[in-house]
Amino acid sequence: EPEVTQTPSHQVTQMGQEVILRCVPISNHLYFYWYRQILGQKVEFLVSFYNNEISEKSEIFDDQFSVERPDGSNFTLKIRSTKLEDSAMYFCASSERQGTNTGELFFGEGSRLTVL
Amino acid sequence: AQSVTQLGSHVSVSEGALVLLRCNYSSSVPPYLFWYVQYPNQGLQLLLKYTTGATLVKGINGFEAEFKKSETSFHLTKPSAHMSDAAEYFCAVSDRYTGGFKTIFGAGTRLFVKA
Repeated sequence: EPEVTQTPSHQVTQMGQEVILRCVPISNHLYFYWYRQILGQKVEFLVSFYNNEISEKSEIFDDQFSVERPDGSNFTLKIRSTKLEDSAMYFCASSERQGTNTGELFFGEGSRLTVL
Repeated sequence: AQSVTQLGSHVSVSEGALVLLRCNYSSSVPPYLFWYVQYPNQGLQLLLKYTTGATLVKGINGFEAEFKKSETSFHLTKPSAHMSDAAEYFCAVSDRYTGGFKTIFGAGTRLFVKA
């Protein structure tokens, strides 16, 4: 069964360092998302990406965040200068092409980011 | 604006007992509603969804939910809890727009199942 894969599963970094989290969405999906979950808290929407551009972003997704789809398969989230409060589990998700899309999100297993 | 409220951050039931996890939503348009489950150290997995049609929706692992527009609710139930149901459950509401769906999650309810 097709699945969303994320790497790394866990990254530890120093405050101020740049981090790139990688995702390979399901191959025929056209909509891509990043969510984060701070330990013990709710799953929060960060950004959605469609047709090679950001389609929507939350107030959390400030200038230190960026997303990119550098090739036909990868979808990345970059945090330019990490802060302690960026420590969280980051989930990538994808959903199907328009027409068949019922809004179901297919999630990866997450990348745990720890900022020291 | 969309929002989701899950009543009860923790619910504890005995094995074999009824499971009821409550969810209320607000949405400016007819919503798409979802329940996702998260097992420890894993991503979220879809349990069930309501888009249109029948308001009682059946999902995996014996769970079901009923969309009640008048009550703006989408409560999740299972007649008989199993130990393997212990997990975190998230209710979510989606609005469709040109660039996809914007999905907002509730705060989650952790289900404990006692032997």
